[in-house]
Amino acid sequence: GQQLNQSPQSMFIQEGEDVSMNCTTSSIFNTWLWYKQDPGEGPVLLIALYKAGELTSNGRLTAQFGITRKDSFLNISASIPSDVGIYFCAGQPRMNRDDKIIFGKGTRLHILP
Amino acid sequence: SAVISQKPSRDICQRGTSLTIQCQVDSQVTMMFWYRQQPGQSLTLIATANQGSEATYESGFVIDKFPISRPNLTFSTLTVSNMSPEDSSIYLCSAPQPFGGLETQYFGPGTRLLVL
Repeated sequence: GQQLNQSPQSMFIQEGEDVSMNCTTSSIFNTWLWYKQDPGEGPVLLIALYKAGELTSNGRLTAQFGITRKDSFLNISASIPSDVGIYFCAGQPRMNRDDKIIFGKGTRLHILP
Repeated sequence: SAVISQKPSRDICQRGTSLTIQCQVDSQVTMMFWYRQQPGQSLTLIATANQGSEATYESGFVIDKFPISRPNLTFSTLTVSNMSPEDSSIYLCSAPQPFGGLETQYFGPGTRLLVL
C-alpha cells in the first residue's frame, strides 16, 4: 500500500529558530494535511492543502502542496516552547476510492532551553 | 468545530481481559473512525463505525478482536478483546466536521492503554 516518508524523525532546536519538515510519497495525492499532537492529546489539524502548488499559512506555520503532488513541506518560523509536539503529515492518495487518509510517522519537535 | 470526548482517558489492564472505550461526539456525524497509535508510531485506521450497519474493518483488524458498536449518530464504542501486551497503544476516535469530507476529520483526546 501507499506509504508516506516523513522527515526528519525528530528535531532538537533552539527557541526562535525556524523549522522545516517534509513528507514524500511514490504515488500522487489529492490532499495533503498537517496535524500536531500535543502530549496526552489527539492530533489537531493545522493546515489542509487541496491543489498542487498551493501554499497556505496558519500564523507562523506555512505548508505547501508539491507541484508533483507527491510531496509536501511544513515550515514553522520563530519557534516558541508551545510548538513542542509531534507533527504528522497525512494525505489522501488519488488511487484510494474511499478517500481514506494515510499518516506519516511523525516529526518529534523538541525545543532546547 | 465539534468536540469529541473519550472514556476512559487511560487504563492499565491484565492480559486476557477486555476493555471497552467510549467515544462521544457533540454533533451528529455519519461516520466515526477508530485508530490505533502504537508507541512512537503513526496512526493506523482500525475500522469505520457506520450507524445502522456493521463496522468496516481495515486489513489486519478483525471484528472478533475489535468489536465496534454505533448505536446512534453521536456515539460509538470500541472493545479491545482478550488483550495482550502488544495491544498497548493509544486508541483514538475521530469524525469528519459536519458537512465535511474525511480530510476535515478531528480527533478525540485518545485512550492510553497499557496491558500487563
